[in-house]
Amino acid sequence: DIQMTQSPSSLSASVGDRVTITCRASQSISNYLNWYQQKPGKAPKLLIYGASSLQSGVPARFSGSGSGTDFTLTISSLQPEDFATYYCQQSHKTPPTFGQGTKVEIK
Amino acid sequence: QLQLQESGSGLVKPSQTLSLTCAVSGTPIISGGYSWSWIRQPPGKGLEWIGYIYHSGSTDYNPSLKSRVTTSVDRSKNQFSLRLSSVTAADTAVYYCVRVSTYYDSRGYLVGAFDIWGQGTMVTVSS
Repeated sequence: DIQMTQSPSSLSASVGDRVTITCRASQSISNYLNWYQQKPGKAPKLLIYGASSLQSGVPARFSGSGSGTDFTLTISSLQPEDFATYYCQQSHKTPPTFGQGTKVEIK
Repeated sequence: QLQLQESGSGLVKPSQTLSLTCAVSGTPIISGGYSWSWIRQPPGKGLEWIGYIYHSGSTDYNPSLKSRVTTSVDRSKNQFSLRLSSVTAADTAVYYCVRVSTYYDSRGYLVGAFDIWGQGTMVTVSS
């Protein structure tokens, strides 16, 4: 299985901050990388697919980049509704696998 | 508006079989061209993929669960189901049914993603 490792596991930030989350794959996955946002008690929500394509309806302050093994999710200006846990997921090979999550908390 | 709704046994005894159903509204489950999936999340932990039901009707399962998992589709009811046998406490989790869509990415390649999720249903394995 392809292992996905996110860093950091958690971070504290303030409203308006620029936030960056990193995801590393144990082997090359080209651009087959998706990002999800999960709020407490809710199902995950697709934010970005194909490493950098924004899902319909997702605010433009979210962006993704990277290819191969190293990927980044950036929130350009953190908003109150963005405090949540973020997961990366590879769709290059079955079984699809997720990172362990990054919890973004209020500073 | 596409909606997925899980239902089934919320409490299962160890060694018994967990059974869940996902009712799909807003799109035909097979002819709609989508694939479907089950994903679970133990309390306070991350996400684990369980299996796919492809639009062709074929299936694919996580090797770690393959010996215990069965999925099926009921076209007449527009729903799909999950059965997980010989459960233990480690199978306690929120179980999600999910739609899998394919998109053209910025390079023009087709990529798959879990785009529509049910609200999830908590299953506890305990005697």
